[in-house]
Amino acid sequence: DTAVSQTPKYLVTQMGNDKSIKCEQNLGHDTMYWYKQDSKKFLKIMFSYNNKELIINETVPNRFSPKSPDKAHLNLHINSLELGDSAVYFCASSQETSGRSMKFFGPGTRLTVL
Amino acid sequence: DAKTTQPNSMESNEEEPVHLPCNHSTISGTDYIHWYRQLPSQGPEYVIHGLTSNVNNRMASLAIAEDRKSSTLILHRATLRDAAVYYCGRGGADGLTFGKGTHLIIQP
Repeated sequence: DTAVSQTPKYLVTQMGNDKSIKCEQNLGHDTMYWYKQDSKKFLKIMFSYNNKELIINETVPNRFSPKSPDKAHLNLHINSLELGDSAVYFCASSQETSGRSMKFFGPGTRLTVL
Repeated sequence: DAKTTQPNSMESNEEEPVHLPCNHSTISGTDYIHWYRQLPSQGPEYVIHGLTSNVNNRMASLAIAEDRKSSTLILHRATLRDAAVYYCGRGGADGLTFGKGTHLIIQP
């Protein structure tokens, strides 16, 4: 069984479109995250959710909005896509928000904006 | 994270130990030191983490400097499957903040 899954694996779209990426974890974890990996392989945290509450929002444009329908899901909605949004997006989960918790990452969604 | 620095790449021979360094000179007293690795086209995979004491698990060992400003990930006997990008990072209540990663190349 896949612990953290994401759909779709690849997403190609035009500038200006709105798109969503879905994430699900079956680990029973309380915290989920979204990370962005740019073309230089730099991994940067975007959001985290704990018990359906947003607890971090880094310097991410408000075109990006995380939505958590329940504890096992954290979806990422992106409005008015821009060329610079092209990247690989990783969902992750952990048992708690503490720094001692190990994180489990999904396989990633490669977003290409044309 | 600009405050966590790692060498861009390192090379080692198969079946030899590998020591991957990381500097995190501004880490706070409560942040954990984490290491993850990423194989091509996959998500990052947990390797090891610790706070102050050295840690061992089935994958690797983590040696943490006494002042916690640096750490070293030790792969005791590298195999070709260990070729990956290794990320060092700090883990706090705000999640994981990574360095830019070290690309580990293993020569047969």
